[in-house]
Amino acid sequence: DIQMTQSPSSLSTSIGDRVTITCRASQHISDYLNWYQQKPGKAPRLLIYAASRLQSGVPSRFSGSRSGTDFTLTISSLQPEDFATYYCQQSYNTRGLTFGGGTKVEVK
Amino acid sequence: QVQLQESGPGLVKPSGTLSLTCAVSGGSISSTNWWSWVRQSPGKGLEWIGDIFHSGTPNYNPSLGSRVTISVDKSKNQFSLQLTSVTAADTAVYYCASLEYSSTSGLSYFAYWGQGTLVTVSS
Repeated sequence: DIQMTQSPSSLSTSIGDRVTITCRASQHISDYLNWYQQKPGKAPRLLIYAASRLQSGVPSRFSGSRSGTDFTLTISSLQPEDFATYYCQQSYNTRGLTFGGGTKVEVK
Repeated sequence: QVQLQESGPGLVKPSGTLSLTCAVSGGSISSTNWWSWVRQSPGKGLEWIGDIFHSGTPNYNPSLGSRVTISVDKSKNQFSLQLTSVTAADTAVYYCASLEYSSTSGLSYFAYWGQGTLVTVSS
């Protein structure tokens, strides 16, 4: 299985802050990396696919990037509705899809 | 757009079989999507259970071994999950989701999700 390691597991931040979440793959996965946002009691929502492509309808303050096997989700200016848990997911191995452990973004 | 709705018992006895169905609307189950199940134990992260193409070819999470079966019913535009020999560790919110897949790029992602259904394993 391809292991996805997210960091940090949680972070406290304020409205307007720049937020960066990292996801590291245990092996090469090219750009086959997706990011999701999940709010309590709700299903995950796709934000970014193929490492850096913004899903339709997602605000442009969200962006994704890749450096080797390290992937980053950035929120340029945190809004109140962005407090949530974020997950990365690799789709390189389609017979063994795996998610990161999640990063909870909380209010400071 | 595709909408997904899970249904099934919310309580299953230990050693029993968990059975869920996902109704697909707004699209055909015979599309290029793969139809997936993902679960989330209380307070935990997301775990892919498996998926299936409309032709009936499934993929399963190796960690669940032979306990899991996913099937498609094209006549009803729905797909189903069976998980046998359940224990308390199988208590989770179970989501069905559509995995959009491009054969040209190889890209895939979970584009649409059901609302999720809590299944508790308890006597």
